[in-house]
Amino acid sequence: SQTIHQWPATLVQPVGSPLSLECTVEGTSNPNLYWYRQAAGRGLQLLFYSVGIGQISSEVPQNLSASRPQDRQFILSSKKLLLSDSGFYLCAWSVLRGRGTEAFFGQGTRLTVV
Amino acid sequence: SQQGEEDPQALSIQEGENATMNCSYKTSINNLQWYRQNSGRGLVHLILIRSNEREKHSGRLRVTLDTSKKSSSLLITASRAADTASYFCATDSDAGGTSYGKLTFGQGTILTVHP
Repeated sequence: SQTIHQWPATLVQPVGSPLSLECTVEGTSNPNLYWYRQAAGRGLQLLFYSVGIGQISSEVPQNLSASRPQDRQFILSSKKLLLSDSGFYLCAWSVLRGRGTEAFFGQGTRLTVV
Repeated sequence: SQQGEEDPQALSIQEGENATMNCSYKTSINNLQWYRQNSGRGLVHLILIRSNEREKHSGRLRVTLDTSKKSSSLLITASRAADTASYFCATDSDAGGTSYGKLTFGQGTILTVHP
C-alpha cells in the first residue's frame, strides 16, 4: 500500500535561518507531488507541484523553493526564513488518471518562525 | 486565489442530526473533492465527484454537484461526535481537459457534533 512520510512534525526556526522539509512516498511510482501551505483557520494554498524528477512548477511567488532529487522525494527549502513563512505545510501525492484523482496528504509540518 | 467558497464557516449540531455543507467555485472543473481535517493533522480524502456526475454516495456521505450553478454540497447523515472536524472542498480545474491534480481549496467548514 502507498504511504507518505513527512517530517519533522513541528519546527521552530529563527528568522534568517535555512529550512529543509522532506517528504517521501512509498508504494507508487512516478507520482505527482505537491507542497501546500495552510494559514491558521484557512484553506490550503498550493505552493509547488512536480510531475517528475527535476520538474518543479511554482504556483505563487515566495521565499521558498522546492526540489525533487528522486522519484518519490520532494523537498521544500528556504535559504533565509521570514516571519511570514510560518504556517502548516503539507505534502501530497496523486497519480494522474483521466480527469483527475484524489490526493493523499502527509501529516504536515507546523513551522513557526520566531 | 481561493476558488472554493464554503458555507457555513462553522456548524454545530447534535449527534444523530444531519450536517450539510456547501461549496461554490468559479471556473470549469475536472472534478470536485471533499476532504476532512482533524485539528492539526493532515487531510483525509472523503469523496470525489467528476464534472459529468450529479450525485455520489459513500457510506453516510452524499455529495451533489451542480455545474450550471458551480456549486456542490456535502451531506453527512446521522452525525456522530467523531465527525467533528474541518471539512474542505477542493476543485481540480479543467486546463483544456487535462488534470494536473492541482487542487484549489475552499476556506472550510468547522463541524462540531455534540454527544
